[in-house]
Amino acid sequence: DQQVKQNSPSLSVQEGRISILNCDYTNSMFDYFLWYKKYPAEGPTFLISISSIKDKNEDGRFTVFLNKSAKHLSLHIVPSQPGDSAVYFCAASEGGGTSYGKLTFGQGTILTVHP
Amino acid sequence: NAGVTQTPKFQVLKTGQSMTLQCAQDMNHNSMYWYRQDPGMGLRLIYYSASEGTTDKGEVPNGYNVSRLNKREFSLRLESAAPSQTSVYFCASQRETQYFGPGTRLLVL
Repeated sequence: DQQVKQNSPSLSVQEGRISILNCDYTNSMFDYFLWYKKYPAEGPTFLISISSIKDKNEDGRFTVFLNKSAKHLSLHIVPSQPGDSAVYFCAASEGGGTSYGKLTFGQGTILTVHP
Repeated sequence: NAGVTQTPKFQVLKTGQSMTLQCAQDMNHNSMYWYRQDPGMGLRLIYYSASEGTTDKGEVPNGYNVSRLNKREFSLRLESAAPSQTSVYFCASQRETQYFGPGTRLLVL
């Protein structure tokens, strides 16, 4: 039973346009959500996170939106750059409102940004 | 400051062989984790250690054992490797977010 789902295996975007990556979850106990980025032959690296008490968090070109009622979050990248091409993983935690705790990951979405 | 390091980078085993995957972190983090990544499955938690001296099972612990040797090191052991354990294994340590090592690619024939 996949508690965190990324239903789009891949996404292709033109450089300069917006990339929107989506993630759905089923466990209502999740209260902290993260996005990780992964390049081939490397480990995932932390990108951005959001607590369930917020509905938006922004860091430069990256914004994460959380819709608790829909159990849905999305990552927006504006503007997209070729260096953003990577696999993006959504993850969730029952951290008790903090970032601590075990992570449950989605399957990942391969983002390709074309020059 | 190397972050999280893993050895070996790549390993080929025959069914039934044993091996230990090593992980070390130099960030003085209390919590450490072992994940496996399979195509279409994302990362799944095998075992974790909330602090030195404690270990707990994750989502997919069967066929694995772990040792938290000290605060820096957290090893993963396969006692009798099976083809189903062919995967990429990632170690992570955590302060506020989890920091991952580069991974170990394991092929079990």
